[in-house]
Amino acid sequence: DTAVSQTPKYLVTQMGNDKSIKCEQNLGHDTMYWYKQDSKKFLKIMFSYNNKELIINETVPNRFSPKSPDKAHLNLHINSLELGDSAVYFCASSPGLDTSYEQYFGPGTRLTVT
Amino acid sequence: GENVEQHPSTLSVQEGDSAVIKCTYSDSASNYFPWYKQELGKGPQLIIDIRSNVGEKKDQRIAVTLNKTAKHFSLHITETQPEDSAVYFCAAAISGSARQLTFGSGTQLTVLP
Repeated sequence: DTAVSQTPKYLVTQMGNDKSIKCEQNLGHDTMYWYKQDSKKFLKIMFSYNNKELIINETVPNRFSPKSPDKAHLNLHINSLELGDSAVYFCASSPGLDTSYEQYFGPGTRLTVT
Repeated sequence: GENVEQHPSTLSVQEGDSAVIKCTYSDSASNYFPWYKQELGKGPQLIIDIRSNVGEKKDQRIAVTLNKTAKHFSLHITETQPEDSAVYFCAAAISGSARQLTFGSGTQLTVLP
C-alpha cells in the first residue's frame, strides 16, 4: 500500500548511457515532483507537474526529460548520463499546486554513474 | 528568490536531552514553514509546519517557533529518543502560490543512547 513508489531503488550505469526512473502515486494527488538530492543531502526541485502539465522546470539540463502519462505517474528519462548525475532522485506528490500542501516523498532512487 | 539557511549541519545530543535546529529565510513574503524528517534510506516526511499567523506550534515532543520580524524559525525536540536520529530539513514557501518549496541544507541529528 505504498503511497509513492519508485523503481528502481538502485541504478548503476556507465557514462553516456540512457536510463529511466519510474514513479507512481496512489494518493489521487494532482501534483507530482522530481527532486535531486546530492551527496551533501541538499534537496533541489527539478520539475513539477500538475494534471500531467509541466509547471516548473528548474535549470535542469535538457538531457533530463520528465514524462507524465497520467496523473498517477511521472517518469524521468535521462540521456547521455554524466558523472555529475550521480545522486538520489526523489519523486513526490501533493494534492495540488499550493506549496503549503504536504508533499509525500517516495523512497528514492540512488543513481550511480561510473 | 528565496534563500533558506539552516544550522547546525550536525547535532549530537544525549537521549532525553532537547535538540534545537534553526533556520533563517530571506523572502519576507514567505508565510509557510514546514519541517521534514528524513530517515536513512527513506524519503523526507513532513513532521510539523507553521504559518506566519502564529508564533508557535506544538505536537507532542516537537515544537516550532517563528519570528517573522527576524525572519527565522526553529524546531525544538524535547526528550529526544534514538528514533529521532535522522536528517531534518526546514523549508519556506508562499502559501497559495505554485512556487516550489525552498529547502534548507539539512541537519543530521544523532541521539546517543
